[in-house]
Amino acid sequence: SQQGEEDPQALSIQEGENATMNCSYKTSINNLQWYRQNSGRGLVHLILIRSNEREKHSGRLRVTLDTSKKSSSLLITASRAADTASYFCATAYSGGGADGLTFGKGTHLIIQP
Amino acid sequence: GAVVSQHPSWVICKSGTSVKIECRSLDFQATTMFWYRQFPKQSLMLMATSNEGSKATYEQGVEKDKFLINHASLTLSTLTVTSAHPEDSSFYICSASPGTGIYSPLHFGNGTRLTVT
Repeated sequence: SQQGEEDPQALSIQEGENATMNCSYKTSINNLQWYRQNSGRGLVHLILIRSNEREKHSGRLRVTLDTSKKSSSLLITASRAADTASYFCATAYSGGGADGLTFGKGTHLIIQP
Repeated sequence: GAVVSQHPSWVICKSGTSVKIECRSLDFQATTMFWYRQFPKQSLMLMATSNEGSKATYEQGVEKDKFLINHASLTLSTLTVTSAHPEDSSFYICSASPGTGIYSPLHFGNGTRLTVT
């Protein structure tokens, strides 16, 4: 299994601070994606980084990928209360299509106002 | 953007009955849809891949006779939990992608909370 493993499992920070979450995986990937899930809702795609990319930005989000360490990080800068959610990384198998997505256990992020 | 609609949002049923959950792609066609199951504070577990016009592909350990999947059109897939039992209580989420490549992000429905009493 190449299930991603996020850490920390839970994180609580003050509004305005930066939040960093990490994800590790086991086997070769085509791409790694980060999703956000608000309580009791479906997942929302945040960002996708390809295996040949090392860093990607989208608004207040910054994702890095280190294929040699099989790890990725998601940084949320200047956090807001609305960022409170669970964040999952998902990996796509090498050679697979979208059906190759495997989700990690998630990081529950709480932003305190 | 691509929208996936799931219905119902929540359902409570008695043990032994069957429950059908619908997943629709509203503004795109999806030859493939995915059904996930999520327990509280846990990750998503892929149950099956629903293929339009053909049989679904089930993940190891998922009973195909219990979780019936029908993908009758390019915009609709249904998951029927047959003879539901309390242990089937969970959060079921469907997803689909308007693209077909490996770099196509998934779009998720808002999930269905199933409670079997």
